[in-house]
Amino acid sequence: EAQVTQNPRYLITVTGKKLTVTCSQNMNHEYMSWYRQDPGLGLRQIYYSMNVEVTDKGDVPEGYKVSRKEKRNFPLILESPSPNQTSLYFCASSFRDSQKLFFGSGTQLSVL
Amino acid sequence: GENVEQHPSTLSVQEGDSAVIKCTYSDSASNYFPWYKQELGKRPQLIIDIRSNVGEKKDQRIAVTLNKTAKHFSLHITETQPEDSAVYFCAGLQGAQKLVFGQGTRLTINP
Repeated sequence: EAQVTQNPRYLITVTGKKLTVTCSQNMNHEYMSWYRQDPGLGLRQIYYSMNVEVTDKGDVPEGYKVSRKEKRNFPLILESPSPNQTSLYFCASSFRDSQKLFFGSGTQLSVL
Repeated sequence: GENVEQHPSTLSVQEGDSAVIKCTYSDSASNYFPWYKQELGKRPQLIIDIRSNVGEKKDQRIAVTLNKTAKHFSLHITETQPEDSAVYFCAGLQGAQKLVFGQGTRLTINP
């Protein structure tokens, strides 16, 4: 089944404790992206990747890192999480030059 | 860059009535406008999209209209049903690949 898989679905952590949210897609998509969803603000792009080893900042990159060592995986890293990073996170992917995004199931992160 | 504004933020309609959600965009070069539906606790999913070379597109009970001159586009849902209750996001395309989303509209269908 074609899908974008995110893990974990829920995560509660404390300020400053490094964490990684994983994202994997099995559709051979070149483009992958991370969004955060906050009430009243919609979906805001954090980072994106056009292909392996090619990543770039989105609109709200501060406090986040990403890597794209393999085509299928695009992990989101929070080196020192803070409470303002409490949010619902979505990974998404698509073919290059297709704007139709496929979203993962989301990760609800709470930073205490 | 692209900026997309979406209204209203919440919308409540009686089952069977129509619902309309509106979005405006800022980048006149933007040429692709999708709509995503997010049911409670689920992921956003594409329900309909339109490119700038057409003014309207329909798929059963949903339709999208585009006014390039005014830089706005709208989602129309007719004969609403309880399963239409969800959050709807519009988006505009910035550059070749990046989607910029609106703030979302929470649609509630009252039985």
